[in-house]
Amino acid sequence: SQQGEEDPQALSIQEGENATMNCSYKTSINNLQWYRQNSGRGLVHLILIRSNEREKHSGRLRVTLDTSKKSSSLLITASRAADTASYFCATDAWTDKLIFGTGTRLQVFP
Amino acid sequence: NAGVTQTPKFQVLKTGQSMTLQCAQDMNHEYMSWYRQDPGMGLRLIHYSVGAGITDQGEVPNGYNVSRSTTEDFPLRLLSAAPSQTSVYFCASSRRLADEQFFGPGTRLTVL
Repeated sequence: SQQGEEDPQALSIQEGENATMNCSYKTSINNLQWYRQNSGRGLVHLILIRSNEREKHSGRLRVTLDTSKKSSSLLITASRAADTASYFCATDAWTDKLIFGTGTRLQVFP
Repeated sequence: NAGVTQTPKFQVLKTGQSMTLQCAQDMNHEYMSWYRQDPGMGLRLIHYSVGAGITDQGEVPNGYNVSRSTTEDFPLRLLSAAPSQTSVYFCASSRRLADEQFFGPGTRLTVL
């Protein structure tokens, strides 16, 4: 079974608004990563947060990690139409496997 | 650097046929993996390798074989294709599991 579940499954916003998506996972983890996938393309790495970190920033992206709740959130500030994509979290849980969640489809309208 | 390359981009098979999906990387990465992506299911790990000569099963390994004879190549073999294997297949590589994964462009496979 998949380790991560993203919420919501789909999200529609206007350009300039913030987009927040959440990832919940089942077991203790070593690292959590976020990826973006444009339609029909391979995934692109966005950010990695380690289990001993609580927050990380990269440009317009902000990721938080709450290991007590086994959850992470990805915030995209000032969204642009080009941010339209699917977003996935992925976790490695002290094994050699990187397991992906089911993804959030983000649509940003101009 | 070409990064991670996958061939073919598209493939149509008949039930029972076999084929090999090719994956190669030129970044000297030790960790390589294969995923399949189905609508609404996200990515599911099929097989992975932590280095040449070492492979292991992921979440959905049945019906697939892999080998890792070199650091660069990690082919995925479908032994006897079934309609349930219709999917988009992605190969990925990284220096280590805990690092950024680099993905190939994918192979879209249809089994009739």
